Amino acid sequence: NAGVTQTPKFQVLKTGQSMTLQCAQDMNHNSMYWYRQDPGMGLRLIYYSASEGTTDKGEVPNGYNVSRLNKREFSLRLESAAPSQTSVYFCASSAAGHLEGGSEKLFFGSGTQLSVL
Amino acid sequence: RKEVEQDPGPFNVPEGATVAFNCTYSNSASQSFFWYRQDCRKEPKLLMSVYSSGNEDGRFTAQLNRASQYISLLIRDSKLSDSATYLCSFNFNKFYFGSGTKLNVKP
Repeated sequence: NAGVTQTPKFQVLKTGQSMTLQCAQDMNHNSMYWYRQDPGMGLRLIYYSASEGTTDKGEVPNGYNVSRLNKREFSLRLESAAPSQTSVYFCASSAAGHLEGGSEKLFFGSGTQLSVL
Repeated sequence: RKEVEQDPGPFNVPEGATVAFNCTYSNSASQSFFWYRQDCRKEPKLLMSVYSSGNEDGRFTAQLNRASQYISLLIRDSKLSDSATYLCSFNFNKFYFGSGTKLNVKP
């Protein structure tokens, strides 16, 4: 059981380049999330998708776009990368939606280390 | 004010020690609470959920204090393998995370 798979694991971009981070889960989860993690900042939510066909902004959405392609896949796109987007990116999924509360936990992918020069 | 605050540490303790971390949250309507463990350069993994009555899983005990708006994690008989960063998290419409507390267990 693969869980949450994200690609690539590492990426170096030049300022202004674009790229898409891919994420897929095989747990039939409704909700999917993109976080970034910077030293001393913890995990900050970029975008989330409570269900197929819906997406919403998180805490730090500027400079990013997302697509919930189907129930399994949730991609994150950087249209014009900036050095401030150098970070580790994690995709996650959960069975319940954000708004449903409860004790649902998040399952994380293994992360993408992105450097923007 | 940050939604979630944690002491970043590091906490340097000898094997066998008992260590406790606290995490404060700002939203009194928060619904569910968690502790995650994150090893260096790895993804966070759920360590345990935190229930209102407190809960224990082996050497780990989690507690919730709604009146003072904090959760705690107690690790007894620390092992070298407990060395990691511990992230607290709570859910109120979104999952919020603290910045993590680093634990180093020394021989």
